[in-house]
Amino acid sequence: GENVEQHPSTLSVQEGDSAVIKCTYSDSASNYFPWYKQELGKGPQLIIDIRSNVGEKKDQRIAVTLNKTAKHFSLHITETQPEDSAVYFCAAFWGAQKLVFGQGTRLTINP
Amino acid sequence: GAVVSQHPSWVICKSGTSVKIECRSLDFQATTMFWYRQFPKQSLMLMATSNEGSKATYEQGVEKDKFLINHASLTLSTLTVTSAHPEDSSFYICSGLVRALETQYFGPGTRLLVL
Repeated sequence: GENVEQHPSTLSVQEGDSAVIKCTYSDSASNYFPWYKQELGKGPQLIIDIRSNVGEKKDQRIAVTLNKTAKHFSLHITETQPEDSAVYFCAAFWGAQKLVFGQGTRLTINP
Repeated sequence: GAVVSQHPSWVICKSGTSVKIECRSLDFQATTMFWYRQFPKQSLMLMATSNEGSKATYEQGVEKDKFLINHASLTLSTLTVTSAHPEDSSFYICSGLVRALETQYFGPGTRLLVL
């Protein structure tokens, strides 16, 4: 089955700096990679996603890159703000409909 | 994005009782919904896949007789935790699949505390 590894588990950055979270996946058949943001006590919220036919996607301060050969993808947040503090999960779409999640990264933005 | 609601948002029950959690897709038809469980500071663990009009598919290690899933309409799936015990206390989250986008949208979660 699919396996997704996510690093780091915790990340602390100064407000205004950039944050990068990386994930690797095992199944080369995976073709869809979403990123979710989860705030305390809430459900995951889709923030950006990328499909296997593109290498990079950007939405304002958030970008995702995908390297299919190496089977890894990354989330980049620029100009971080306090409200970016949350737990971020990467995921890989597997088996036609299932999502396999990474372990999560707790991001803290220090003012 | 698509909107998914859950009810209740939190519930406290006594050990041995059953609890039903509802998951609704508000602005799309979800032929497939998923139920996850999340323990504190852990990732989401898929419990089962629910397809409208058919039996749910449970992940390995999830007791189908304890976690009853019903998906009788295109916008509603329910999870019933039967004979709940303290170890069932967790955060239960559902999601609906927008098949055209191959994207899952999550509900806000239900926190269950079994005393």
